[in-house]
Amino acid sequence: DAGVIQSPRHEVTEMGQEVTLRCKPISGHDYLFWYRQTMMRGLELLIYFNNNVPIDDSGMPEDRFSAKMPNASFSTLKIQPSEPRDSAVYFCASTFRASGVTGELFFGEGSRLTVL
Amino acid sequence: KQEVTQIPAALSVPEGENLVLNCSFTDSAIYNLQWFRQDPGKGLTSLLLIQSSQREQTSGRLNASLDKSSGRSTLYIAASQPGDSATYLCAVKAAGNKLTFGGGTRVLVKP
Repeated sequence: DAGVIQSPRHEVTEMGQEVTLRCKPISGHDYLFWYRQTMMRGLELLIYFNNNVPIDDSGMPEDRFSAKMPNASFSTLKIQPSEPRDSAVYFCASTFRASGVTGELFFGEGSRLTVL
Repeated sequence: KQEVTQIPAALSVPEGENLVLNCSFTDSAIYNLQWFRQDPGKGLTSLLLIQSSQREQTSGRLNASLDKSSGRSTLYIAASQPGDSATYLCAVKAAGNKLTFGGGTRVLVKP
């Protein structure tokens, strides 16, 4: 398997523009997580899905942020409108749960977002 | 609320020395603990996963221990090499499937 795949790897945009980040989890994984990493706050969980259903979005900072998972192999994180304080690296991660045991969490390479 | 702390924030050692990285967490009701490595500009790579029922895991030069009752985990890296230079993060999984991360320890192994 190619691992968790994220796109784009880098995005530079201007304040007010819409940003869409994409993620393809590892095949067979039933959990998908979106994290944000900044120097000031470290890694923060934004939202996670189980079997394509959003379970906990309490980490989503504002209504400007939204996430979807239309099927088991694709998820998007959208920011509209974007602001300079949204500049960060956004990571997608996936894992599975079997026999009551949670597996390892695997991360993508991240999408580095810069909002000017 | 679970809090995860990693001390020190940065560590510099000469090549060949053993590395000892510490992770502490406030709520012992965890499902598992995972150690990750992150290279600059890269994603996180899983190193070791310890389930709550286990006390340690080993992989090559890496050994991680878990003491749930005291809320601590230690990652040992034997005979460090310059290629071990990276940031190491620990994360605990508790109820709700949320993974809480520590701030990381930035390691530099000098040749």
